[in-house]
Amino acid sequence: DADVTQTPRNRITKTGKRIMLECSQTKGHDRMYWYRQDPGLGLRLIYYSFDVKDINKGEISDGYSVSRQAQAKFSLSLESAIPNQTALYFCATSEGESTQPQHFGDGTRLSIL
Amino acid sequence: GQNIDQPTEMTATEGAIVQINCTYQTSGFNGLFWYQQHAGEAPTFLSYNVLDGLEEKGRFSSFLSRSKGYSYLLLKELQMKDSASYLCAFLDSNYQLIWGAGTKLIIKP
Repeated sequence: DADVTQTPRNRITKTGKRIMLECSQTKGHDRMYWYRQDPGLGLRLIYYSFDVKDINKGEISDGYSVSRQAQAKFSLSLESAIPNQTALYFCATSEGESTQPQHFGDGTRLSIL
Repeated sequence: GQNIDQPTEMTATEGAIVQINCTYQTSGFNGLFWYQQHAGEAPTFLSYNVLDGLEEKGRFSSFLSRSKGYSYLLLKELQMKDSASYLCAFLDSNYQLIWGAGTKLIIKP
């Protein structure tokens, strides 16, 4: 079983819809991250959380929100989806220091029409 | 400001050696990571360098020069499965990861 699981793996939806992407992990890591990846661009950080009561905005948080329901679960919501949010979304986890590597889920490919 | 740069695409031959460069500019630096990402898959960790010098892990080695703002990933005895994108990312003064756009490596028989 994957250590970092993202659901759904693929989603096609329409402009204006609310969407939730879910991430769960069995690695026991405190830190969790949400990124988006677009062709020709590096990974861009949307939100991150260092523990259950900690939520921080990343580089591109506008239009997104997150919820850290438990140590193992971190969900990303798009309140009203727009076409330029079409991208590949990754969840990642890491141990308690920034010098530790991040472990990524398999990604969610999101298309907004 | 800070930025990071790596070539968009490289081509190499199976069995050969390839060096993928990464240059960065930042006022504060706390180490540099390399990740491998096969098409449509998750990035996976390859290496982390915080001190100058070369670190070897099997066929893969990573080098860092902090004074030059430069790192490279060296892949030896290339195999077809090494066809992937290679992402470099550095930790800035606030321990935030700044990612490069990735280098797509194409291996030809």
